[in-house]
Amino acid sequence: EADIYQTPRYLVIGTGKKITLECSQTMGHDKMYWYQQDPGMELHLIHYSYGVNSTEKGDLSSESTVSRIRTEHFPLTLESARPSHTSQYLCASSRTGDYGYTFGSGTRLTVV
Amino acid sequence: GENVEQHPSTLSVQEGDSAVIKCTYSDSASNYFPWYKQELGKGPQLIIDIRSNVGEKKDQRIAVTLNKTAKHFSLHITETQPEDSAVYFCAANTGGFKTIFGAGTRLFVKA
Repeated sequence: EADIYQTPRYLVIGTGKKITLECSQTMGHDKMYWYQQDPGMELHLIHYSYGVNSTEKGDLSSESTVSRIRTEHFPLTLESARPSHTSQYLCASSRTGDYGYTFGSGTRLTVV
Repeated sequence: GENVEQHPSTLSVQEGDSAVIKCTYSDSASNYFPWYKQELGKGPQLIIDIRSNVGEKKDQRIAVTLNKTAKHFSLHITETQPEDSAVYFCAANTGGFKTIFGAGTRLFVKA
C-alpha cells in the first residue's frame, strides 16, 4: 500500500546526542517536507525538497539538516540535540501538480 | 507576508449539531484550499479541498465554501459525531510550492 512512513514514533534522547529522524514514502512523490508541530498544534515548515539533490530551508529557523539522495527518502538530522528541540516532527509529501499533502504519523522527540 | 487566519481556535458542539470553521487568506494568487483533519497521535489527513474556480464542494457530511472576493473559505460539518473530534487545519496554496497553514481548530463533539 502506498504510504509515508516515519520512524521512530517516539524518541527520548540526552542533550548533545546526534539523531536522525527517518521518513520514507512509496508513492513516488517528488516533493517532500518536514514540519515541526508545537504544543499549540501549529505547523511550522523547517525543510523542503523539490526532488533528488534539492533541499531548502523553510520558514522556521532550525538547527537540523536534511538530505534527499533518493526520491523516496528524506531524513532529518540533528547534530547535537537540545531540550529546545523537544517537539513533534511531521514529514509530508506531494506530487507536482497536485497540491494536497500526505503526512506521516510523526516522530515525537523529547530531549532531556 | 502570506498569512492564513483560522477561527475559532476551539469549538465545542453537541453531537448532531453542525460545526463551522472559517479561514481568511491574504495572498490573492492562492488558488487551492485544502482542509486537513488531525486525530490524536496521527499526522494530518487531507479530507476535502477546493480550487478557486469552484464556489462550493460537498462530500457526504462535510462541505467547503469559497468566497474569492472576500478571501474567505469555510469548512462545514453537519450531523457531527464523536469521531469528528479532532484538530482541523485550513490551508492555502498559490499553485506553486508553498502551502500556508492556519493555526488549527480543536473540535470537540459531545455525545
